[in-house]
Amino acid sequence: AQTVTQSQPEMSVQEAETVTLSCTYDTSESDYYLFWYKQPPSRQMILVIRQEAYKQQNATENRFSVNFQKAAKSFSLKISDSQLGDAAMYFCAYRKNRDDKIIFGKGTRLHILP
Amino acid sequence: DGGITQSPKYLFRKEGQNVTLSCEQNLNHDAMYWYRQDPGQGLRLIYYSQIVNDFQKGDIAEGYSVSREKKESFPLTVTSAQKNPTAFYLCASSKTGTGAMNTEAFFGQGTRLTVV
Repeated sequence: AQTVTQSQPEMSVQEAETVTLSCTYDTSESDYYLFWYKQPPSRQMILVIRQEAYKQQNATENRFSVNFQKAAKSFSLKISDSQLGDAAMYFCAYRKNRDDKIIFGKGTRLHILP
Repeated sequence: DGGITQSPKYLFRKEGQNVTLSCEQNLNHDAMYWYRQDPGQGLRLIYYSQIVNDFQKGDIAEGYSVSREKKESFPLTVTSAQKNPTAFYLCASSKTGTGAMNTEAFFGQGTRLTVV
């Protein structure tokens, strides 16, 4: 069975600095998708970034980028120029292609220090 | 506006009572999901459905039941058999099939269930 592991329950970063959140996953599949979701205090889940496993190029969305290492089954999220609004729970998620089951990690709570 | 609506936002029930959480979507998505969120546990999949009149158990289905009579609706019943029902419940939906654009899950605002 596929699993998603986030080994950092909490992290803190100074405003305007860069922070990296870790995620590893276990799968025997070669074709899948990975996601980072943000859950602010409102608890509304928001998609931050998506990566297709068949793409070697790392996905980027403005200040958010990923480091996707397929062989190592690692999918970390880098947040540059951290802002107070980035404070939230961040969840890593996995979805196999041609399957609709989406598996989430336990999350990392990110604190932004002013 | 297209989206997913969960109701109610807060729900209180007495121990031993069944309770049904509502989830409706107007995104024309085929797949719908129920997740349970507890502190330190992340999102755990309860049930998901890929098509009307069909659904699959997730990792923690015991004590829960669902139905999918309409594409737009995927209600979750928390039964008296669920030992620790107090939690935050999230409903989601997505397109099905292959391709990157079909993979994102859209979430409702959640229902906080408290059993006393």
